[in-house]
Amino acid sequence: AQSVTQLDSHVSVSEGTPVLLRCNYSSSYSPSLFWYVQHPNKGLQLLLKYTSAATLVKGINGFEAEFKKSETSFHLTKPSAHMSDAAEYFCVVSRISNQAGTALIFGKGTTLSVSS
Amino acid sequence: DAGITQSPRHKVTETGTPVTLRCHQTENHRYMYWYRQDPGHGLRLIHYSYGVKDTDKGEVSDGYSVSRSKTEDFLLTLESATSSQTSVYFCATFGQGMSSGANVLTFGAGSRLTVL
Repeated sequence: AQSVTQLDSHVSVSEGTPVLLRCNYSSSYSPSLFWYVQHPNKGLQLLLKYTSAATLVKGINGFEAEFKKSETSFHLTKPSAHMSDAAEYFCVVSRISNQAGTALIFGKGTTLSVSS
Repeated sequence: DAGITQSPRHKVTETGTPVTLRCHQTENHRYMYWYRQDPGHGLRLIHYSYGVKDTDKGEVSDGYSVSRSKTEDFLLTLESATSSQTSVYFCATFGQGMSSGANVLTFGAGSRLTVL
């Protein structure tokens, strides 16, 4: 069975410092993995996705994530946080590679706070 | 959120009353979904549709029904609202993304429902 665990419910950083949001997954198959971001009172926006091509995936707004099969992890990083990065982030695993919404399993979310 | 409109965006109702949420898309995507978002639970799939008049249940479908009479509209109905259905409801469509060109799950801005 597939599952996804976001290891931190809340992460606080200072503007200009690195961001690390951690995600571990469990999957019986080669998974597709995604990170979505949700700003307050907004819908979810796709940041990046991994679908068995390059293990280092670059997304929008300077975010990237590395797929590590040996560690079953897909952590999200950014070298330097901006105030506009404050939002909730969801790690998502798909049971099948076509990302159809019926197969998506959402983590419980990590709230990122950025202070000046 | 371009291309997906949810209405109403906010609604307060009383226990036992019927409620209908509407999702309208202009993307001509075949697949449409209703999720609910609750603190500590991430997003959970309620119902989905894979075509006009073709719908199926998700993981939390009890107390909800859906209808899709045309490609662009997907309605979620609470026949008799309960306080446990107080939540934020998101509609999503699956299809070619506007920026990436790849198939992505795109979310509406959400409908906040409060059942007193």
